[in-house]
Amino acid sequence: EIVMTQSPATLSVSPGERATLSCRASQSVSSNLAWYQQKPGQAPRLLIYGASTRATGIPARFSGSGSGTEFTLTISSLQSEDFAVYYCQQYNNWPSWAFGQGTKVEIK
Amino acid sequence: QVQLVQSGAEVKKPGASVKVSCKASGYTFTSYGISWVRQAPGQGLEWMGWISAYNGNTNYAQKLQGRVTMTTDTSTSTAYMELRSLRSDDTAVYYCARGGGDTAVAYWGQGTLVTVSS
Repeated sequence: EIVMTQSPATLSVSPGERATLSCRASQSVSSNLAWYQQKPGQAPRLLIYGASTRATGIPARFSGSGSGTEFTLTISSLQSEDFAVYYCQQYNNWPSWAFGQGTKVEIK
Repeated sequence: QVQLVQSGAEVKKPGASVKVSCKASGYTFTSYGISWVRQAPGQGLEWMGWISAYNGNTNYAQKLQGRVTMTTDTSTSTAYMELRSLRSDDTAVYYCARGGGDTAVAYWGQGTLVTVSS
């Protein structure tokens, strides 16, 4: 079973600043890694798939990188609507998915 | 446009069963599988399993094996998730999502809150 570990648990950032979120897999997931954003009371929203490809309609300030076991989601200049919880997910080890425990991005 | 509309909130007693529905529209139902993901209050996302809408093949999370059954009704483009022998730690929002396997998920239902309480 692949375990996904995200860090930090909470990230305090001022609007306009850069945010860097990390996700580590317990074994290689190749580039089969997605990032989701979730706001209170809403379903997750796909941001990035294939480790680095933005989903349809996702602003360019969101970028993903990494492969194998180490991944990063970067938000280049935080907007008010970006304060949310972010989850990484591996879909390499089918038939099983695994999500990280989430990183909460809060206003500093 | 692709839409997944789930059934409404449920309150169940421990030991009971719940069946959540997910009605799909805006695409050919049998071309994609349906995954189910749940989220306990204040917690992260947990994958529960997947069903092929094409042939009904299923994959379930090991921890739920024996308690969960996923089905589809292609005549109504609806997927169902039944969870039996409910416990308090099954209290969660249950989401359906289009897709599964080696793809990320772009389309999600709105979620169904299932509360298990005596």
